[in-house]
Order: sequence, then C-alpha cells, then structure tokens
Amino acid sequence: DTAVSQTPKYLVTQMGNDKSIKCEQNLGHDTMYWYKQDSKKFLKIMFSYNNKELIINETVPNRFSPKSPDKAHLNLHINSLELGDSAVYFCASSQGGNPNYGYTFGSGTRLTVV
Amino acid sequence: LAKTTQPISMDSYEGQEVNITCSHNNIATNDYITWYQQFPSQGPRFIIQGYKTKVTNEVASLFIPADRKSSTLSLPRVSLSDTAVYYCLVGDGSNSGYALNFGKGTSLLVTP
Repeated sequence: DTAVSQTPKYLVTQMGNDKSIKCEQNLGHDTMYWYKQDSKKFLKIMFSYNNKELIINETVPNRFSPKSPDKAHLNLHINSLELGDSAVYFCASSQGGNPNYGYTFGSGTRLTVV
Repeated sequence: LAKTTQPISMDSYEGQEVNITCSHNNIATNDYITWYQQFPSQGPRFIIQGYKTKVTNEVASLFIPADRKSSTLSLPRVSLSDTAVYYCLVGDGSNSGYALNFGKGTSLLVTP
C-alpha cells in the first residue's frame, strides 16, 4: 500500500488553464504538506494543513489554493497557470506539525505548463 | 530557522565510505538534525535523525560534534543504488507547526 499517493504523476497543460493535483495519505498522520521543487532542485514548502486548518501559508501566489476535505486528503488547486509554475509538486505528511517527526513524501507530480 | 550548508555534489566509487558534512552554525537548542535521501522522480525519504553525538541505523550513521554546529552523514560501503540527492535539515523540536525548506542538498554519484 502506498503511504502517500498523488495523482496525476504527470500533467501537461496550457497557460491560463486551471488544474488540480490530488493527494491522499493512509498513515493516519494529522498534518499534510505541499512542496514545490523547481529546476534547480530547491524543495520549498508551500502549504501545510493540520487537522483541516491551514497552519503555514508561505508567500505563494493566491492562484494556488490547498483544499482538505478530510485529514487524509490535501489537494492543490492552481488557477490561471503560468509558465513559471512548471515544476515537480510533492505532497507529504507527518504526525503533528513538528518536522522532527519526519516527513513521508509522495512520488511527485511533474507539472509542465506550455 | 537554522540555515544549512552542504557541498553541492560528491563522487564516490562503489564500496567506499562516503561522508557528507552539513554546516549549521546557528542551530538552536531545540533543533534536531535530520537527513533525507531523494532518488530521481521520487520524493525525499527519511534516512536518519539525531540531536547529539552519534546515531546509527541500518542505512547510515550520523555524527554530531559537541557544539552541534555541523553534522556528518556517513554511508558505509556505498553501492550504485546510493546515487541520490541527500538533504540536511535542521528544525525546532517544539510542536510549532511549521515545515522546512529542503534547500539544494548534496548530489552523490556512485560509479563502478
């Protein structure tokens, strides 16, 4: 069983479109995250959700919106996609918002905006 | 947040021991040191975590000097499959609810 699963694995879309990436974890963790990894391999936190509350919202454009229907899911919706949004997006989870508990990552979604 | 500095890349031959050092000069009292491994097309994977002295598990060892301003990840007898990017993270031990940026990491290439 995959602990943290994301769909789709690849996403190619045109500028201006709206798209969503889904994430589910079956670890019973109460905190989930979205990370963005750009071409330079920096892995930067975008959002985290703890008990369905947004507890971190880094300075990302408001075109990006996380949505958590329940503790096991954290979806990422992106409006009006731009070329610069092309990157690999990783979902992760942990027990508690404490990074010392360790993150479990999904396998990533490679988004290409053309 | 404590800033970390790692070498951008390292090369090694199979069977050798690899040591990757991370500098974190402004580490705080409550911070732990955690290392992750990332293979191409995969998310990072937790390897090892420590607070001080030495920690060892089935994958690696982590050496932390008394001043905790650096740490060294040691991979014994590496194989080709250890080719990956290794990230050093330093984080607060309190349940503060924040997450960490991973930075660029160290790209390790193991060759025959």
